[in-house]
Order: sequence, then structure tokens, then C-alpha cells
Amino acid sequence: QKEVEQDPGPLSVPEGAIVSLNCTYSNSAFQYFMWYRQYSRKGPELLMYTYSSGNKEDGRFTAQVDKSSKYISLFIRDSQPSDSATYLCADDYGGSQGNLIFGKGTKLSVKP
Amino acid sequence: NAGVTQTPKFRILKIGQSMTLQCTQDMNHNYMYWYRQDPGMGLKLIYYSVGAGITDKGEVPNGYNVSRSTTEDFPLRLELAAPSQTSVYFCASSYPLGGDPYEQYFGPGTRLTVT
Repeated sequence: QKEVEQDPGPLSVPEGAIVSLNCTYSNSAFQYFMWYRQYSRKGPELLMYTYSSGNKEDGRFTAQVDKSSKYISLFIRDSQPSDSATYLCADDYGGSQGNLIFGKGTKLSVKP
Repeated sequence: NAGVTQTPKFRILKIGQSMTLQCTQDMNHNYMYWYRQDPGMGLKLIYYSVGAGITDKGEVPNGYNVSRSTTEDFPLRLELAAPSQTSVYFCASSYPLGGDPYEQYFGPGTRLTVT
């Protein structure tokens, strides 16, 4: 079974808030975990990815993977109105073709 | 580099008509993908290709066909359009030589309505 569950929101926060976005996955074979950001009426763009478990930080963004509980998180510190977008988590199929399975996406709105 | 380009941006089709969605990338990527995105849903993989002349089905291939005659182009063909094919279609590419296969670069999308 290959599924990624993600709460679609919408999520609305004030500027400066810490945002937590979460996904769960069902297939323990997944190894790469990604977060894509999609602005309205645009194609998704890769925000960050991690391999296996652990944390990865990039500026205001932190991606966290807990393989024991099959839980993926993205934290945004000091959120900005420019962070308003839909955030999609994605996991690999475990193969070499780069095929991904995406969550439904969480729509985030950061209010000034 | 233009990246991944898609044409047309918008299209309205009548039931039973056919059309080809065009996708071109200028990054010399081996892998290319077609996705559809329905409102409130994630991206579903339709077809993918790991190189010229090689294509394979994804999660939702029914009603679509693809070909890959060159590295740059990966057109998606809709035969006998149905209302269920109303969606936004995204093309993506990945895997530059020495790069990571999971960073996919997406085009701007084609919004298709079938009525």
C-alpha cells in the first residue's frame, strides 16, 4: 500500500508565527521525503528533502522525519505573508525512477 | 534556461474530442513525468519516462497516451476526452547527470476543462 496522508487545512496564522505542517505515510519502504511548495496557479517547486530519519534545516524551514512512527513534519519559523502557499509532502516509491507519491497538500495563509 | 514549458495554458474540450498537451524541457534531464491535479487533491502520476524511447504507466494512465522521441519533449495525448479528465496537468523533469533523481522541476501547468 502506498499512501501519504496530509491534512488539507486551510491553515491561517499571523505573521511571525511558527507553523507546523504534517504528513503520515504507510509504506515503510519509503526512503526520501520531500516538501514541495505550490503558489496559486503555479507548478510545485521543491522546498527541501531528507533521506531516512532525522532533521534538516534550511533558513527558516526545518524538515523532520520520524520513521518509527511514519511521520513527516515541516516547521516554518517567523512565518511571512510570502510563505502563503500550498505545501505538499511527497515520498518516493523506493525505486530508481524518481516516482513520487504526493499528499493532498495543506493550504497555508500567513496574515500580515 | 526556460526550464519546463507547457502549452497550451488553458483549453476547453468537448466530450469525445482529442488533444495533445505539449511539454518541453531544456535542462537535458533524462526523466520526465506527467501529473494531474484535481481540486483539493495531490498530484497523481499519469505516465513517466526515463529516457528517449522509454515510457511507463503511472498511477492513473487510463485515457492517456505518451511518447518520448527526444530527450527534450514529452507530449501527453488525450483520446476521446471525458469530463473526468477535467484537471490541471503538470509536466515535470528530473535527474540531471550527477544530480538527485527526486528534485523534480515542474512546468506552469495546463488547465483543461472537458464539457
